[in-house]
Amino acid sequence: DAGITQSPRHKVTETGTPVTLRCHQTENHRYMYWYRQDPGHGLRLIHYSYGVKDTDKGEVSDGYSVSRSKTEDFLLTLESATSSQTSVYFCAIRRQAGGGTEAFFGQGTRLTVV
Amino acid sequence: QQQVKQSPQSLIVQKGGISIINCAYENTAFDYFPWYQQFPGKGPALLIAIRPDVSEKKEGRFTISFNKSAKQFSLHIMDSQPGDSATYFCAASGTSYNTDKLIFGTGTRLQVFP
Repeated sequence: DAGITQSPRHKVTETGTPVTLRCHQTENHRYMYWYRQDPGHGLRLIHYSYGVKDTDKGEVSDGYSVSRSKTEDFLLTLESATSSQTSVYFCAIRRQAGGGTEAFFGQGTRLTVV
Repeated sequence: QQQVKQSPQSLIVQKGGISIINCAYENTAFDYFPWYQQFPGKGPALLIAIRPDVSEKKEGRFTISFNKSAKQFSLHIMDSQPGDSATYFCAASGTSYNTDKLIFGTGTRLQVFP
């Protein structure tokens, strides 16, 4: 599992409230990613990080922000949660293996916005 | 914009049969094509991957076939087993700035019945 821990694993929150999801890794990987998984859409990239304080947007970044103050932690924040952000969120790290970009995922956080 | 198109969305196969999942990509800058397997409640896990300099890669019962000219690749699961029942994602990435993140297909839910 590449030493990736996501917290919380499950969360129910109300519309309009801020929510922060945490991804913690123990292997000192430089690259970290946040994806969301929805039926019919697969895994879509929200934000990613190339290192401490170095982040960039993915394809579905609206309504989300991230921070990375330490190598081991990558935080995803929903500033004001909406029902459309109900999803399963996965954090991933990147390893170079076999000449390609391979992602190793955490166990996921199931977020429900009511 | 769906850069990696995956089909079928779901697949039902009898035990011992062959499962075939197809993917097509658009960006010719992609040069690495992994497949991920996901069981319920778990994060996706790397299954097998291929680079475009080979047309086929086999690992046990799992084979990737790659057609560079058609920009298509497929996963074949031989002698499918009930334990193979999972969701499968194809993905693609490259080495340039705009392609170094994994782009996923929409997923195929495979059910193998005894």
